[in-house]
Amino acid sequence: RKEVEQDPGPFNVPEGATVAFNCTYSNSASQSFFWYRQDCRKEPKLLMSVYSSGNEDGRFTAQLNRASQYISLLIRDSKLSDSATYLCVVNKQAGTALIFGKGTTLSVSS
Amino acid sequence: GAGVSQTPSNKVTEKGKYVELRCDPISGHTALYWYRQSLGQGPEFLIYFQGTGAADDSGLPNDRFFAVRPEGSVSTLKIQRTERGDSAVYLCASSRGGTQYFGPGTRLTVL
Repeated sequence: RKEVEQDPGPFNVPEGATVAFNCTYSNSASQSFFWYRQDCRKEPKLLMSVYSSGNEDGRFTAQLNRASQYISLLIRDSKLSDSATYLCVVNKQAGTALIFGKGTTLSVSS
Repeated sequence: GAGVSQTPSNKVTEKGKYVELRCDPISGHTALYWYRQSLGQGPEFLIYFQGTGAADDSGLPNDRFFAVRPEGSVSTLKIQRTERGDSAVYLCASSRGGTQYFGPGTRLTVL
């Protein structure tokens, strides 16, 4: 079983749609959680950190459920520019290696 | 300011050859990480440095892979006797202990 599991998609949605991505992780000792965004043939970039209390950044909302070892990302009012691969990322300890899921591909169409 | 830079951006080599991939981290970042990303997969950890020393090299797949960071800044990932299965994008990231910032990667193709 992989340490971080994501539905690879692709998710094909129209502009304005709401889309949710889910992720599970296997190591209960994991301490930090993130969503990274990766555009085609580009490097991953941090989208947002994920906290147990849930956090929001504009149209993006991230949630963490430590008991279920489950992480989610909700994108509201999808834009064409949201088309990318979204990587669920876990860190066992600050400063150490990041553990990535395979990524979920989102395609937003007009 | 300048981000993480990696050279070359693309490298095509033949099976059995030796390659070196270079990473220039963000100035002042003490931690440097190497990852490898195969097509359709997320990045996979290879090795990371705190300063000059390798803090964790558990992700290196075998002894053909080696990395150095002699002055605590630039790092070189070295691959001996390359195999077709080594073809991937090699990503470097740096941090000051918090967020890891990635470079654009080196796309390695082994023919």
